[in-house]
Amino acid sequence: NAGVTQTPKFQVLKTGQSMTLQCAQDMNHNSMYWYRQDPGMGLRLIYYSASEGTTDKGEVPNGYNVSRLNKREFSLRLESAAPSQTSVYFCASSVPGLTSGNTIYFGEGSWLTVV
Amino acid sequence: DQQVKQNSPSLSVQEGRISILNCDYTNSMFDYFLWYKKYPAEGPTFLISISSIKDKNEDGRFTVFLNKSAKHLSLHIVPSQPGDSAVYFCAASALQGAQKLVFGQGTRLTINP
Repeated sequence: NAGVTQTPKFQVLKTGQSMTLQCAQDMNHNSMYWYRQDPGMGLRLIYYSASEGTTDKGEVPNGYNVSRLNKREFSLRLESAAPSQTSVYFCASSVPGLTSGNTIYFGEGSWLTVV
Repeated sequence: DQQVKQNSPSLSVQEGRISILNCDYTNSMFDYFLWYKKYPAEGPTFLISISSIKDKNEDGRFTVFLNKSAKHLSLHIVPSQPGDSAVYFCAASALQGAQKLVFGQGTRLTINP
């Protein structure tokens, strides 16, 4: 059982280039998320998808787009990469409704450097 | 505006002693709180949670305490073990809203032998 799988794990981009981070989960979760982690900032929500066919902005959506391709897959696209987007990106998924006993499960992360 | 704050970037504790990690929040709509643990080069993993109807939840060596009037929660680890060395994130959510977690900045816990 792989859980949440992200690709690529490492990527170096030049300023202005575009790329897509791929994410897939095999836990039959309805909700999926993209977070970024920066030193001293914790994890900040970029976009989320509460269910297949819906997406919503999180705390830091500027410069990103997302696609909920199907129930399993949720991709994050950087259309024109900027050095400020150098970060570690985490995809996550959850069952609907955070209640006691339910939680969000994270992938292993994608390290992105924009030069 | 940081809605969830972990004011201690790092904490060093001797093996076998108690580790206490603290977290404060400002949004009174938060009613579900979680702690995540993160090792280098790995994703965060869920550790323990508590809903606002409780003031304490215990799971083995880990206990989370919630003080709603002070908007404060803490994670106690006892006894601390070397494998507990990691970054710990506090997170909060409003159950009535979308299932979004708001994270604190993290505290790096180091357990010394």
